[in-house]
Amino acid sequence: DTVLTQSPGTLSLSPGETTTLSCRASQRIGSSYLAWYQQRPGQAPRLLIYGVSNRATGIPDRFSGSGSGTDFTLTVSRLEPEDFAVYYCHQYGNSPITFGQGTRLEIK
Amino acid sequence: EVQLVQSGVEVKKPGESLKISCKGSGYSFANHWIGWVRQTPGKGLEFMGIMNPWDSDVRYSPSFQGHVTISGDKIISTAYLHWSSLKASDTAMYYCARWAGVAGTGEIDYWGQGTQVTVSS
Repeated sequence: DTVLTQSPGTLSLSPGETTTLSCRASQRIGSSYLAWYQQRPGQAPRLLIYGVSNRATGIPDRFSGSGSGTDFTLTVSRLEPEDFAVYYCHQYGNSPITFGQGTRLEIK
Repeated sequence: EVQLVQSGVEVKKPGESLKISCKGSGYSFANHWIGWVRQTPGKGLEFMGIMNPWDSDVRYSPSFQGHVTISGDKIISTAYLHWSSLKASDTAMYYCARWAGVAGTGEIDYWGQGTQVTVSS
């Protein structure tokens, strides 16, 4: 299985700051099939980014994704209060599909 | 508006059976593969399996093969996740999810609200 390792586990930041979350895969992910999800407390995950860098419908341009091969990042610019949540990366290029363990973004 | 609405909270005893449901609306249910994802504090998000609603073809993750059954009814736009004999380790939040691409490929673009299942004696 393709193991996705996210770092850091927790980030403490203030609104208005910019941050980068990392997702490293144990093997190359085929066809750039990597997505990012946001999960707020008590809610289901929500698609933010697919295909490494494509924003899902309705996602503000403060969210951007990049990377290739085994190393991927999600950048969140100008943090808003509603951005403080858990973020998961997800690869769907290798079988079985897998998820990272998550990065928690908390308010400092 | 695409929606996946799941059945409610379940509290069961070990050895009991359970079937939870997920009803899709706002899109052509038969045209998108739909599957299930388990979430626990210890293991995070885990892919369980995916089904083609058109012909009920199911593909399971090796980790869940033989322990759960995924099924569906395209006439009523509903997918199901079934256990014949629950274990305490099945305690988790279960999400149904819609796959964006053809033939079950692509990212998950929509999620249900989740069904909390608790198994305890």
